[in-house]
Amino acid sequence: QKEVEQNSGPLSVPEGAIASLNCTYSDRVSQSFFWYRQYSGKSPELIMSIYSNGDKEDGRFTAQLNKASQYVSLLIRDSQPSDSATYLCAVIGRGGFKTIFGAGTRLFVKA
Amino acid sequence: DAGVIQSPRHEVTEMGQEVTLRCKPISGHNSLFWYRQTMMRGLELLIYFNNNVPIDDSGMPEDRFSAKMPNASFSTLKIQPSEPRDSAVYFCASSPSRGRQETQYFGPGTRLLVL
Repeated sequence: QKEVEQNSGPLSVPEGAIASLNCTYSDRVSQSFFWYRQYSGKSPELIMSIYSNGDKEDGRFTAQLNKASQYVSLLIRDSQPSDSATYLCAVIGRGGFKTIFGAGTRLFVKA
Repeated sequence: DAGVIQSPRHEVTEMGQEVTLRCKPISGHNSLFWYRQTMMRGLELLIYFNNNVPIDDSGMPEDRFSAKMPNASFSTLKIQPSEPRDSAVYFCASSPSRGRQETQYFGPGTRLLVL
């Protein structure tokens, strides 16, 4: 089992729809969770972080964390073509410093 | 702030040659990470420095890879000798602290092609 798993996609949604990206992790003691966005040919950039169970909203983005289920998700409301990118789920696991990245989910938003 | 600076941005070399990648972290950040990204393996952590000291190098693939951080504003990743399977994008990232909740800021990457 991979430490951080994501559906590789591609996930295709129409403009204006909600895009839902999912991630599971294997280390139960993980405390910090991140979503990075990576455009083709560019470097990853942080868009959301979450540390407690529940939802965290920032503009059109909502991160959801369920530690009991070892599950973290990212919702993108009113999806725009500019949201088309690969979304990387990242988890800081045991030890508190090593960030483990998932393989990423490719998102396409169709105009 | 200029962000994390990496050089060169692109490198093409022949198998067996030495390759040196360079990174300047964001000023004031005391954690530095080297990653490698490929289509097959995704983003892999190679080595992590805190306050210029290597903390975890378990991701370094083999002895051909070495990394140094002689001071807070400079790090190198060296591959000697290089092999075609080393072809990848190498990212350097820095972070302001070694806390549990650290955001990493990535450089633009070095695209390495070993022929």
